[in-house]
Amino acid sequence: ETGVTQTPRHLVMGMTNKKSLKCEQHLGHNAMYWYKQSAKKPLELMFVYNFKEQTENNSVPSRFSPECPNSSHLFLHLHTLQPEDSALYLCASSQGTSGSHGYEQYFGPGTRLTVT
Amino acid sequence: GQSLEQPSEVTAVEGAIVQINCTYQTSGFYGLSWYQQHDGGAPTFLSYNGLDGLEETGRFSSFLSRSDSYGYLLLQELQMKDSASYFCAVRDKTYNQGGKLIFGQGTELSVKP
Repeated sequence: ETGVTQTPRHLVMGMTNKKSLKCEQHLGHNAMYWYKQSAKKPLELMFVYNFKEQTENNSVPSRFSPECPNSSHLFLHLHTLQPEDSALYLCASSQGTSGSHGYEQYFGPGTRLTVT
Repeated sequence: GQSLEQPSEVTAVEGAIVQINCTYQTSGFYGLSWYQQHDGGAPTFLSYNGLDGLEETGRFSSFLSRSDSYGYLLLQELQMKDSASYFCAVRDKTYNQGGKLIFGQGTELSVKP
């Protein structure tokens, strides 16, 4: 247990569906992240939030929409996804984003997403 | 741009020592981290090197040489539970305030009895 929880753990959705992924951290951290992990590819950063403000959008398509209502919760809203979006979506948190804080990130177990 | 190179697979036996190398190219370097990920699990933080030299944490050590753009993770007294994927990650100085980590492809370590 790393103190970061994600729901659901598995999700199957059609291309016309709308769904949301939820992440919650119980570590008192100020920064939260969304990553995408596809088979045979490195972890790809999608979004970074620091003190609820988005500080990084790594050229992610608009069909992925993040929301960070407070420092403990992070959502990823999904709509009109494509089959190539099927992947493991990981949430992470860290104390902050500057200095050495951003290097020590705590990951949740991920949501395995399949788009049909 | 940024890129990291690490071997895709390494195999070793229980009790042995294994070294996983990572070379990187970034436009400005700020530090190197290592993460472990068991199959089906979440990546977990292992170590961070901001300065040259060796950092030791129990059976695991991590080394950095900034002049060579090179680092490695050293695992000693290997155990079966060490079978996992190991990722190196760097942060480009450009993104120091943004928390953006660039991850390597990962090295799958198999520990045999």
